[in-house]
Amino acid sequence: QFLLTQPPSISAAPGQTVTISCSGNNSNIGYSFVSWYQQLPGKAPKLVIFDNNKRASGIPDRFSGSKSGTSAALGITGLQTGDEAVYHCGTWDTSLRTELFGGGTKLTVL
Amino acid sequence: QLQLQESGPGLVKPSETLSLSCSVSGGSISSSSYYWGWVRQPPGKGLEWIGSIFYTGSSYFSPSLKTRATISVDTSKNLFSLRLSSVTASDTAVYYCAMAWGSTVRWFDPWGQGTLVTVSS
Repeated sequence: QFLLTQPPSISAAPGQTVTISCSGNNSNIGYSFVSWYQQLPGKAPKLVIFDNNKRASGIPDRFSGSKSGTSAALGITGLQTGDEAVYHCGTWDTSLRTELFGGGTKLTVL
Repeated sequence: QLQLQESGPGLVKPSETLSLSCSVSGGSISSSSYYWGWVRQPPGKGLEWIGSIFYTGSSYFSPSLKTRATISVDTSKNLFSLRLSSVTASDTAVYYCAMAWGSTVRWFDPWGQGTLVTVSS
């Protein structure tokens, strides 16, 4: 059971825009910075967004991050087939004193 | 460019101790800015943070694993290691090492490629 809630899957056509949500509480997302990771099939996770809305090095501006209250979101515009991956959100929980990850969202680009 | 590489046995027997190392290249593990962490991912499931360590040896762990996990650092070899005792089948996972920004992890980057550890007799 993951304390950060993400939709298990989402799909969209090439060129479209998607938003992946990550919901937590006041001890985690509401308190700490949020990061997002892209995990291509069979590969290690790769940092996409850090500190809620900053793009990691080499990440195109089609990717964006936002946070409001106890929820965060990853937006991807102009979808490409190469964006097909599992996306994980992560944040620190100050009450549990642990790093938390969401269960991951599998993005399918049809 | 900083790179991390995990190494260790791919098969561990139940009740024994899992031991993995992470070699850091392209930079010093003794940087005062970063921590070094372990994250695992059971097959087909999500990510789970295990723990992190600073180059001074100060370490901290996930509450669910802290009684079984140990992380150490060897600055002379530029590597850090994980030991997980009394393993069971539920510890079967791909284990990743990664650099972490901050003691309260703000992000992990970069990551090693990961190594699959199977717990089975």
